Amino acid sequence: KNQVEQSPQSLIILEGKNCTLQCNYTVSPFSNLRWYKQDTGRGPVSLTIMTFSENTKSNGRYTATLDADTKQSSLHITASQLSDSASYICVVISGSGGYQKVTFGTGTKLQVIP
Amino acid sequence: DTEVTQTPKHLVMGMTNKKSLKCEQHMGHRAMYWYKQKAKKPPELMFVYSYEKLSINESVPSRFSPECPNSSLLNLHLHALQPEDSALYLCASSRGLAGLSSYNEQFFGPGTRLTVL
Repeated sequence: KNQVEQSPQSLIILEGKNCTLQCNYTVSPFSNLRWYKQDTGRGPVSLTIMTFSENTKSNGRYTATLDADTKQSSLHITASQLSDSASYICVVISGSGGYQKVTFGTGTKLQVIP
Repeated sequence: DTEVTQTPKHLVMGMTNKKSLKCEQHMGHRAMYWYKQKAKKPPELMFVYSYEKLSINESVPSRFSPECPNSSLLNLHLHALQPEDSALYLCASSRGLAGLSSYNEQFFGPGTRLTVL
């Protein structure tokens, strides 16, 4: 069964600190992995998309890593800001050709406090 | 324009009402999606339209009826809903079906917060 598990479920950090969110997946065959940021009551917004051959990808203060061998990804947030408070969702696309299945992780709820 | 818009933002309806949710995009995307998201849960796929044809129905009850009048619009018609149908309904679009390539990003709308009384 395709699964995407994220940890921690929730996290509170001080403004200015760094943090790392984890995503483990069992989906197969792997196509690509995405990290989304979702503010409460809003739609998810894409942060990064990573393919099998990409190990690291950055988007401003967000850096995603992917280890396709261990089926793990992480999202590192540098110098956190209050506006980073949101849920971060890891999404794995699996399959080949035609419609490929989209499996959402359960998300990590991040709260950045002053 | 890289935006997916949804109306209304909020909707409160009784179990006997008929209402519709609307979604619109002008990015030329040919795949559009409806998701349902309960609080503190990830989105759950409901329907996928590809080139204005329904290609995926994830065993959604018939009280939810999707419609794709043209390539830019996606509707979700609601009838005889139950209180447990209260959720955030998200619309998304992509150039093609999600995942065909790493460039096939899904763009999500802000959602409609539905409350069924």
